[in-house]
Amino acid sequence: QVQLVQSGAEVKNPGASVQVSCKISGYTLTELSMHWVRQAPGKGLEWIGGSDPEDGETIYAQRFQGRLTVTEDTSTDTAFMELSSLRSEDTAVYFCATMPRYGGKEYFDDWGQGTLVTVSS
Amino acid sequence: SYVLSQPPSVSVAPGQTARLTCGGNNIGSKNVHWYQQKPGQAPVLVVSDDSDRPSGIPERFSGSNSGNTATLSISRVEVGDEADYYCQVWDSSSDHLFVFGTGTKVTVL
Repeated sequence: QVQLVQSGAEVKNPGASVQVSCKISGYTLTELSMHWVRQAPGKGLEWIGGSDPEDGETIYAQRFQGRLTVTEDTSTDTAFMELSSLRSEDTAVYFCATMPRYGGKEYFDDWGQGTLVTVSS
Repeated sequence: SYVLSQPPSVSVAPGQTARLTCGGNNIGSKNVHWYQQKPGQAPVLVVSDDSDRPSGIPERFSGSNSGNTATLSISRVEVGDEADYYCQVWDSSSDHLFVFGTGTKVTVL
């Protein structure tokens, strides 16, 4: 059973950057495909980026290209999401979520608890 | 970009069956996955690959997918099933490779 524990809530000014971490246990990062999904207040789920489950390459939703960086530290089994040039519309709960590697399993089967990022001056 | 449409809300009495739809162009050719999200909590996968139930998910949850509509059925609905439900697919031509539906709020009367 995978457990994902995310870092705590953040408050940032517009134009700043934020980094959210997600530490996994029960499995190693190399065995899974890690992704990030966000949810604005009262809104639906939006996939923003992660690692390709087949080849491990980083993939991003087009609208976040250039502003989003997803990285992994396999020595600590911790994944990171950094979003730059923050604006008020980025206020959301950010979830990390895992996907099985290989075999075309394109679903998120385990989720972190979520991290609230608030962008406000 | 691929769009998944879900009705905003569905109401159902306890013990009855709720049927939640997810519409998309030729969605029957894709694998559809369903998530349950209760207020303040992370989503939980309840059906994968159209009709598979992950370990621990009650048999009351079932899925089907054909043509332009995928359906999540919840039989013998319980008060604890009240939640938001999202469908999701993978689409290589979309801006968002992993596309979520707009979500349906299930209210148990």
